[in-house]
Amino acid sequence: GQQVMQIPQYQHVQEGEDFTTYCNSSTTLSNIQWYKQRPGGHPVFLIQLVKSGEVKKQKRLTFQFGEAKKNSSLHITATQTTDVGTYFCAGGVGNLIFGKGTKLSVKP
Amino acid sequence: EAGVVQSPRYKIIEKKQPVAFWCNPISGHNTLYWYLQNLGQGPELLIRYENEEAVDDSQLPKDRFSAERLKGVDSTLKIQPAELGDSAVYLCASSPRTAPAGEQYFGPGTRLTVT
Repeated sequence: GQQVMQIPQYQHVQEGEDFTTYCNSSTTLSNIQWYKQRPGGHPVFLIQLVKSGEVKKQKRLTFQFGEAKKNSSLHITATQTTDVGTYFCAGGVGNLIFGKGTKLSVKP
Repeated sequence: EAGVVQSPRYKIIEKKQPVAFWCNPISGHNTLYWYLQNLGQGPELLIRYENEEAVDDSQLPKDRFSAERLKGVDSTLKIQPAELGDSAVYLCASSPRTAPAGEQYFGPGTRLTVT
């Protein structure tokens, strides 16, 4: 069945360093979404990518969708302590399949 | 705009007991999802509704789980009887668009502990 894999599982960075998480699918996706879940919280929608090769930016966050629509990445420039949480990608053709997430911790 | 409301927030029950979770989606959102989230994992879909119709319940363990969304608004997820392995967070989400295009808005979840 369809799978969505995310790497790395954990990432520890010093405040101010950059962070990237990668998402890969075994099948071509119709779209990909990114969510952030703070510790003890629930997933919060960040963005959706639909087009092949699409790049979107939200302040310090840059999202990319691969040309083959099988992979995506989220890059955070100059991390802050407020970026702490788990970042999930979710992709699908029918229902969204969530990856296991990348847990980001930021040391002040 | 009010978000997705879920209750209860926490529930502790003994195995073999029944339990029910309630969800009120964002007004106007026709698509409703129930997910299960284990610690350190991403949400796993249990069932998806479009209005009152369950359009995908393929991942719902139907021997013990049931769900309903009678008037296409509120929804209830039930487990009977609960097993130890059912301990998890149960998340409800709603979307203004049909899958997979619509962004999903999650409720705070119900943390179930089965002892």
